[in-house]
Amino acid sequence: QKEVEQDPGPLSVPEGAIVSLNCTYSNSAFQYFMWYRQYSRKGPELLMYTYSSGNKEDGRFTAQVDKSSKYISLFIRDSQPSDSATYLCAMSDFGNEKLTFGTGTRLTIIP
Amino acid sequence: DSGVTQTPKHLITATGQRVTLRCSPRSGDLSVYWYQQSLDQGLQFLIQYYNGEERAKGNILERFSAQQFPDLHSELNLSSLELGDSALYFCASSDTTGMNEQYFGPGTRLTVT
Repeated sequence: QKEVEQDPGPLSVPEGAIVSLNCTYSNSAFQYFMWYRQYSRKGPELLMYTYSSGNKEDGRFTAQVDKSSKYISLFIRDSQPSDSATYLCAMSDFGNEKLTFGTGTRLTIIP
Repeated sequence: DSGVTQTPKHLITATGQRVTLRCSPRSGDLSVYWYQQSLDQGLQFLIQYYNGEERAKGNILERFSAQQFPDLHSELNLSSLELGDSALYFCASSDTTGMNEQYFGPGTRLTVT
């Protein structure tokens, strides 16, 4: 079993819809949670960063962490065609700086 | 643009050869990380350097090695290349002041023929 599980999709939604992306994990030591966006053949771009449990909002993006369920989510409101990309969750534990990534969810926003 | 630069963008080489990938971190960042991204394995952590010293090691093959120089740029050396080493290699950097936000470069696409 992988430490971080992420539905690879692909996920297609119409423009303007709310998108929900999720990851589950098994390592209870994970404290730092990140979402990256990766366009085809490009480097991952850091979108959201959260520490421990709770919510964080940045513009159209909201990240949620539920440590009790070992479950994290990324919500995208008012989705745009430019949001079409692969979204990767990543996590690390305190004192260990390596990131453990999910496999990524490929998202397509249909105009 | 993350501020992390990587060269070259693309590399095509033959099995058995050796290549060197280069990374320059964001200005002020002391930590450099190397990751490999392949279709079947996803993004995998290889190795981390902090201010010139090796700090953490992941699933890095013995044929691979890295170093970080006094000017903080880093090089990843891949030798005795095999077809399975074909992948995207990313460098990331962070300032490691408690929060582990890592910023990725554009990557080097390695094709081994």
